[in-house]
Amino acid sequence: GNSVTQMEGPVTLSEEAFLTINCTYTATGYPSLFWYVQYPGEGLQLLLKATKADDKGSNKGFEATYRKETTSFHLEKGSVQVSDSAVYFCALASQTGANNLFFGTGTRLTVIP
Amino acid sequence: DADVTQTPRNRITKTGKRIMLECSQTKGHDRMYWYRQDPGLGLRLIYYSFDVKDINKGEISDGYSVSRQAQAKFSLSLESAIPNQTALYFCATMSGGGLGANVLTFGAGSRLTVL
Repeated sequence: GNSVTQMEGPVTLSEEAFLTINCTYTATGYPSLFWYVQYPGEGLQLLLKATKADDKGSNKGFEATYRKETTSFHLEKGSVQVSDSAVYFCALASQTGANNLFFGTGTRLTVIP
Repeated sequence: DADVTQTPRNRITKTGKRIMLECSQTKGHDRMYWYRQDPGLGLRLIYYSFDVKDINKGEISDGYSVSRQAQAKFSLSLESAIPNQTALYFCATMSGGGLGANVLTFGAGSRLTVL
């Protein structure tokens, strides 16, 4: 079946620190992979995506590379800001089926000045 | 105005009451979804709809029902609310194809508390 496992939080970093949030997946076929971000009091919004192996998604200084050999899609940012404090969700969309996304449990990031 | 609007944003109710959460969208998307968010469990799919005549159960549909009144409207009902349905509920839409395929647009959420 399809599932996503992401690193448990919470994660607390100082401003300008390097961020990695791990995400691994199980899926049949060739899924598309996503990172969504949820800021306090808001719904989730797409941060970045990758649709095939070795693709790199990037946005707002965040990056993630689709690694089929390790079934991973780790989120990274070289220098976090206080405004990056949010909950981050890794997700996959199966190549087959109902166009549904499977979400990880979310990782809360807090960046302190 | 938001692309996906949910009402109410917050609701407190009692066990056994009927509750409806409403969702409307201006994206023009055919596909609409209801998710539930619980701490430590991520998002779980309750129901989804690919068009007005197509309704499908998700992984946790028991205790819930939905109605797709129009392409732009998708409501979620709890016929007899129970405390373990206390959660944050999200409506989302998705384009059926093209660059927007598999990308969800979420509403801001409806926080429901069942006492």
